[in-house]
Amino acid sequence: DARVTQTPRHKVTEMGQEVTMRCQPILGHNTVFWYRQTMMQGLELLAYFRNRAPLDDSGMPKDRFSAEMPDATLATLKIQPSEPRDSAVYFCASGSARTGYGYTFGSGTRLTVV
Amino acid sequence: GENVEQHPSTLSVQEGDSAVIKCTYSDSASNYFPWYKQELGKGPQLIIDIRSNVGEKKDQRIAVTLNKTAKHFSLHITETQPEDSAVYFCAATLSGGGADGLTFGKGTHLIIQP
Repeated sequence: DARVTQTPRHKVTEMGQEVTMRCQPILGHNTVFWYRQTMMQGLELLAYFRNRAPLDDSGMPKDRFSAEMPDATLATLKIQPSEPRDSAVYFCASGSARTGYGYTFGSGTRLTVV
Repeated sequence: GENVEQHPSTLSVQEGDSAVIKCTYSDSASNYFPWYKQELGKGPQLIIDIRSNVGEKKDQRIAVTLNKTAKHFSLHITETQPEDSAVYFCAATLSGGGADGLTFGKGTHLIIQP
């Protein structure tokens, strides 16, 4: 089965450090999403791209978060500087507008900022 | 923007019984409604979806119903089994193609009692 690959699976970092999370979407999917999951807020959409162009990043704290797609096989989410409140599970998902399929989620990156 | 409410937050049923999870949405323009199942340590997995031109959809033991007038949709699981234990999320979006930002409900923790 095709899958979305996220790395790393777990990350523990100290407050103030830069964190980079990576995502390899399913080949052929032209839309990539970043979600954050916490117990309090549930699943929140941070940003998404279509054909590598950013379409919406209104859910993302722009002073410290940035999302990019350097090429069709890689999406990145960076936090600089990281804060304890950023601790969450970050999911990448991909989909295809052409086929109308629902998203496929990756297994997530569990981030802990101490 | 869209707001999705999901109930109940926890549902415990006896193995073999049916389970029903309900969601309401606020934006009458939303036209795509997927349901996701999330097991511990994994990303959400699409289990069934429905589009606004359909009132009901079934896939083996699961079914989803949609009432556009009332702006609510429900997930029905019949003959529940232990492997159905998980957190279930409903979601809604405007695009209809499953490739724009989904708004998720807060989730329902389904517990199947042996």
